[in-house]
Amino acid sequence: AQTVTQSQPEMSVQEAETVTLSCTYDTSESDYYLFWYKQPPSRQMILVIRQEAYKQQNATENRFSVNFQKAAKSFSLKISDSQLGDAAMYFCAYRSMPNTGNQFYFGTGTSLTVIP
Amino acid sequence: NAGVTQTPKFRVLKTGQSMTLLCAQDMNHEYMYWYRQDPGMGLRLIHYSVGEGTTAKGEVPDGYNVSRLKKQNFLLGLESAAPSQTSVYFCASSYWTTAYGYTFGSGTRLTVV
Repeated sequence: AQTVTQSQPEMSVQEAETVTLSCTYDTSESDYYLFWYKQPPSRQMILVIRQEAYKQQNATENRFSVNFQKAAKSFSLKISDSQLGDAAMYFCAYRSMPNTGNQFYFGTGTSLTVIP
Repeated sequence: NAGVTQTPKFRVLKTGQSMTLLCAQDMNHEYMYWYRQDPGMGLRLIHYSVGEGTTAKGEVPDGYNVSRLKKQNFLLGLESAAPSQTSVYFCASSYWTTAYGYTFGSGTRLTVV
């Protein structure tokens, strides 16, 4: 089974600054998708960004971008111009293709605090 | 469009009691999943379903049963609740194609005393 590791249980960033959350994964597959999910105190899981493994170009969604290093099996999330609303738990997730059930494998999460 | 709806949102059970969590989605998704979320452990898959009438075990299936009699509904049952099942439970659904992420419900906080 695939494993996803988030080595930073907690991170903090000053408002308007940039922060990078780390994620590594272990897989023998060549094709897959990677995702970052945000979970604010409301508990709702919100998709932040996704990356197709066959694409070399890093995904970007407004202030959120990823640094995808396929050979290193690394998938970090960069949040630029951090805002108070970015405070949340962030989960990195791996989804293989094809896979019976197409299930996700999640990391243990990084709790991000934004300091005013 | 409601997305994924979980009921109830909160529940307190006594050890040995039974209950059913309901997940309903209105997006015509083929796949549905039940996860539990515990501090420091991320989300772990309990059971999943790839279509109406089919279910399969995930990483932590013991103590739970599921049913998917209708495509839009996925039920999670606890036959005899134990304190170790105190957790936040999430239902999710998705299309069969891997490119899409999950759509999550808002979670159920279950406490077993």
